[in-house]
Amino acid sequence: EAEVAQSPRYKITEKSQAVAFWCDPISGHATLYWYRQILGQGPELLVQFQDESVVDDSQLPKDRFSAERLKGVDSTLKIQPAELGDSAMYLCASSLGTGLTIEQFFGPGTRLTVL
Amino acid sequence: AQKVTQAQTEISVVEKEDVTLDCVYETRDTTYYLFWYKQPPSGELVFLIRRNSFDEQNEISGRYSWNFQKSTSSFNFTITASQVVDSAVYFCALSSGETSGSRLTFGEGTQLTVNP
Repeated sequence: EAEVAQSPRYKITEKSQAVAFWCDPISGHATLYWYRQILGQGPELLVQFQDESVVDDSQLPKDRFSAERLKGVDSTLKIQPAELGDSAMYLCASSLGTGLTIEQFFGPGTRLTVL
Repeated sequence: AQKVTQAQTEISVVEKEDVTLDCVYETRDTTYYLFWYKQPPSGELVFLIRRNSFDEQNEISGRYSWNFQKSTSSFNFTITASQVVDSAVYFCALSSGETSGSRLTFGEGTQLTVNP
């Protein structure tokens, strides 16, 4: 069964360092999402791509976070510099398209700890 | 504005008990969809069910059932004869509005522990 791949699974870094997370969506899925899930809370959308274009980054802290999906396939989410409050699980999801009904398939996530 | 509330932070039951997870939502849109996801300790979110705002029929799938009531803005999830493998965090989520595309608004989750 096709799955969303993410790496690394765990990342420990010190504050002020740069970190990057990678996501490979299910083949053929045009829409890709990055969510942040703080411990004890539900996921919150950071950015949504349709192919290589950003369609929603209203919740992305753009002063330190950036995301790209250059060829419309895999994607990288970067944080520079990392802050203590960035410690969270970062989840990637993909779907065939957009719309209210569309099912999103989630990857296993990257758990980030900032010391 | 959209909001999903899962008032139960943690629930603990003994195996074979029935358990209901509550979900209350807020939206000004008349067209919306509600979802339940399961998050086991491994971390990935697993899709369980989707309902649209025009279909209030309850649904049963094996040991799982869902009760959607627009009058109370609730979409509750019941597990019958719970099993240890049901232990996970369960999230209720909402997508609504033509301009919000497929953005999901999640509740804060309910940690379910099923003890043997």
